[in-house]
Amino acid sequence: DSGVTQTPKHLITATGQRVTLRCSPRSGDLSVYWYQQSLDQGLQFLIQYYNGEERAKGNILERFSAQQFPDLHSELNLSSLELGDSALYFCASSFSGDSSTDTQYFGPGTRLTVL
Amino acid sequence: GDSVTQMEGPVTLSEEAFLTINCTYTATGYPSLFWYVQYPGEGLQLLLKATKADDKGSNKGFEATYRKETTSFHLEKGSVQVSDSAVYFCALAQYSGNQFYFGTGTSLTVIP
Repeated sequence: DSGVTQTPKHLITATGQRVTLRCSPRSGDLSVYWYQQSLDQGLQFLIQYYNGEERAKGNILERFSAQQFPDLHSELNLSSLELGDSALYFCASSFSGDSSTDTQYFGPGTRLTVL
Repeated sequence: GDSVTQMEGPVTLSEEAFLTINCTYTATGYPSLFWYVQYPGEGLQLLLKATKADDKGSNKGFEATYRKETTSFHLEKGSVQVSDSAVYFCALAQYSGNQFYFGTGTSLTVIP
């Protein structure tokens, strides 16, 4: 158990809909990362927050957005969903937010299925 | 741009065999390199890391050496066990820009 929690575990929705994925970091960690894992694209870094502020942006679509709240939990919002957004979405957390040295602790993931 | 290339899988080995999973990278500057492991149905876990050239990361019998001259970070283990069956991801991180890149993953199955 990494100490990172993600809810829900599974999500099934229809095209065009909007969903919110939630992540609670490990106790004491200030940074949260979001990743998308799909069969065709592999594991891709989406976005990182540190202590409430956006720190780095990867291959995140404009239809997707995220935020980190004062209690450090984070939400990833996916809107106007398409079939291709079906994937496993991972959240990770780390202490300092320096991805070149920090160990990232991954949650169990949220599996999103868009029908 | 920066990227990581891993050997294609899947890899199937007998218990106690020697394991090598190749990883090469393309990057500017001096990235940090990582190996993460994903066991079935779980999230990723850090296996080992190296933050500068010639560093050797090691954990649970696995080793990888950061070779700047060959831009490689190959994962090795002398004697694999059934419990090592998992997907292994090589990854790269740059301090500048704080970007993180994963390879495509290599699935390893160890048979008794």
